[in-house]
Amino acid sequence: QKEVEQNSGPLSVPEGAIASLNCTYSDRVSQSFFWYRQYSGKSPELIMSIYSNGDKEDGRFTAQLNKASQYVSLLIRDSQPSDSATYLCAVSLTSNQFYFGTGTSLTVIP
Amino acid sequence: DAGVIQSPRHEVTEMGQEVTLRCKPISGHNSLFWYRQTMMRGLELLIYFNNNVPIDDSGMPEDRFSAKMPNASFSTLKIQPSEPRDSAVYFCASSLIRNTIYFGEGSWLTVV
Repeated sequence: QKEVEQNSGPLSVPEGAIASLNCTYSDRVSQSFFWYRQYSGKSPELIMSIYSNGDKEDGRFTAQLNKASQYVSLLIRDSQPSDSATYLCAVSLTSNQFYFGTGTSLTVIP
Repeated sequence: DAGVIQSPRHEVTEMGQEVTLRCKPISGHNSLFWYRQTMMRGLELLIYFNNNVPIDDSGMPEDRFSAKMPNASFSTLKIQPSEPRDSAVYFCASSLIRNTIYFGEGSWLTVV
């Protein structure tokens, strides 16, 4: 079983809509949770980090964490064509191992 | 501030040749990671170091792969001999322990 699971997509949403990206993880000792965005041909870049249950908002982005359900999500409000990318969920363990999901491809249609 | 610096950015080599990828982590970071990314398998953790010491190399595919970190500012990932199935993007990343990791721009390897 993979440590981090994501729906590979592709996910398509119209411009201005809310994009919802989901991630589940298997290891209950996971401590920290991250969302990275990766444009084609580029390296992953950090969007959000979340460490405790609940919601964390940063501009148009909201990360949601539910440790009991081992679930983390990312909401993108007012989606823009520039948001079109692959979104990677990552979890880190107490041992400082970072594991990534395979990513969800998002396309925002103008 | 300089980010994680990787070299070479692109390499094309023939099967059987030795490949050496280099990485300079962000100054002050004490963890370094090597990842491999392919379309089929996504981003795979190959090995990571804490304070220059290899902690977990269970992701290294086989004995053809080796990694070293002789000091806090330099690491290498070596493939010898290289095979076509090693073609991928290899990312180096660094962090402060249990903090966000930052990626280099990647080394695009093609083995023909």
